[in-house]
Amino acid sequence: AQSVTQLGSHVSVSEGALVLLRCNYSSSVPPYLFWYVQYPNQGLQLLLKYTSAATLVKGINGFEAEFKKSETSFHLTKPSAHMSDAAEYFCAVSDGSRAGKSTFGDGTTLTVKP
Amino acid sequence: DTGVSQDPRHKITKRGQNVTFRCDPISEHNRLYWYRQTLGQGPEFLTYFQNEAQLEKSRLLSDRFSAERPKGSFSTLEIQRTEQGDSAMYLCASSLVKGAGTEAFFGQGTRLTVV
Repeated sequence: AQSVTQLGSHVSVSEGALVLLRCNYSSSVPPYLFWYVQYPNQGLQLLLKYTSAATLVKGINGFEAEFKKSETSFHLTKPSAHMSDAAEYFCAVSDGSRAGKSTFGDGTTLTVKP
Repeated sequence: DTGVSQDPRHKITKRGQNVTFRCDPISEHNRLYWYRQTLGQGPEFLTYFQNEAQLEKSRLLSDRFSAERPKGSFSTLEIQRTEQGDSAMYLCASSLVKGAGTEAFFGQGTRLTVV
């Protein structure tokens, strides 16, 4: 069985500040990990994914995430927040055997203050 | 590539009525997934298809829920005898399986409100 825990349901940062959204996973097999962003009343858009290549993954909109096996973590970061980053972010884990069938965390709502 | 399309975007129905949602995946994608998302939660997997075959449906919430993908293209999700607890966003996603770790592309969802 796989699971995802996103620490902090709400994160607030100032515009220009570092964004750090935390994700810890549990998986009995090597995981595939994803970060998605969701704007109000919209579907999910993939930000980045980890598929066992480089442990530091770069995604769209300046986001990146680092896979740390020893910590079972896949935290999402962005050096400088922009107002347009305000959204809900979901971390997801898949075992890779059934691509696209993922287990999602409960999400973190990011607020960016001017 | 026009993305994953879901119809309708919003549906309000009375308790006890049946509802059906449609999903059109990205045209070349062979896998199609249904998820449910309630307020404050992440998407919850319901079922998925590879082409027209439904490979997993154990996570469908009850026997009131059913899904089809008759020709391996669009899919429908039906909820019979709706209950207020069915109110949620229903998301469809599709993927082209090229190997492990392929991501899914999501539609904008159908928001169901049962009154």
